[in-house]
Amino acid sequence: QSALTQPASVSGSPGQSITISCTGSSSDVGGYNYVSWYQQHPGKAPKLMIYDVSNRPSGVSNRFSGSKSGNTASLTISGLQAEDEADYYCSSYTSFNTLGVFGGGTKLTVL
Amino acid sequence: EVQLVESGGGLVQPGRSLRLSCAASGFTFEDYAMHWVRQAPGKGLEWVSGISWNSGSIGYADSVKGRFTISRDNAKNSLYLQMNSLRAEDTALYYCAKARVGEFDYWGQGTLVTVSS
Repeated sequence: QSALTQPASVSGSPGQSITISCTGSSSDVGGYNYVSWYQQHPGKAPKLMIYDVSNRPSGVSNRFSGSKSGNTASLTISGLQAEDEADYYCSSYTSFNTLGVFGGGTKLTVL
Repeated sequence: EVQLVESGGGLVQPGRSLRLSCAASGFTFEDYAMHWVRQAPGKGLEWVSGISWNSGSIGYADSVKGRFTISRDNAKNSLYLQMNSLRAEDTALYYCAKARVGEFDYWGQGTLVTVSS
């Protein structure tokens, strides 16, 4: 149950694109297509942004996209906006074994 | 509208116990796995425990195994977390989260647990 590895911080200017990586192992990220991403603004509960590696829940902007290669998943935010400034967490969870793990979180700063 | 409302947090001395509750509404509670996720002050999210729809499958983080017990009452649409032998490092905001196959799609607002003498 080792935490997934994310960069501590990333930054970008409005309109630019950024990518946040999430590295795990063949036991979690690499073993299943069940990687999800969460956005958390200060003082707020996390919000699901991406599930099943690359799917967006209803209501989430198509500026958010996800992908995976091997044991590393990625979240890309295009056309950065001020309101995207938040903490982002990846997670690998599957109902098959009722175990979950999160990444350490990445603080996104919009310059 | 899905709602998850946690309760039961508070200030507790090290070594003591506390029971958290999560009241669910707006969905068929008995159809979904449920989880507890915590966040220490200024820190990241940490998965704590999860329970399948019928309580047949339960999991715990190594950090709480043997001290915490998750349970649910589908008749009352409620999720619980019994926390024993609490430590200072258990101080955190505890979130209740609804799960689908591979993600946590709804979260409560959390209940704060502070372990201190």
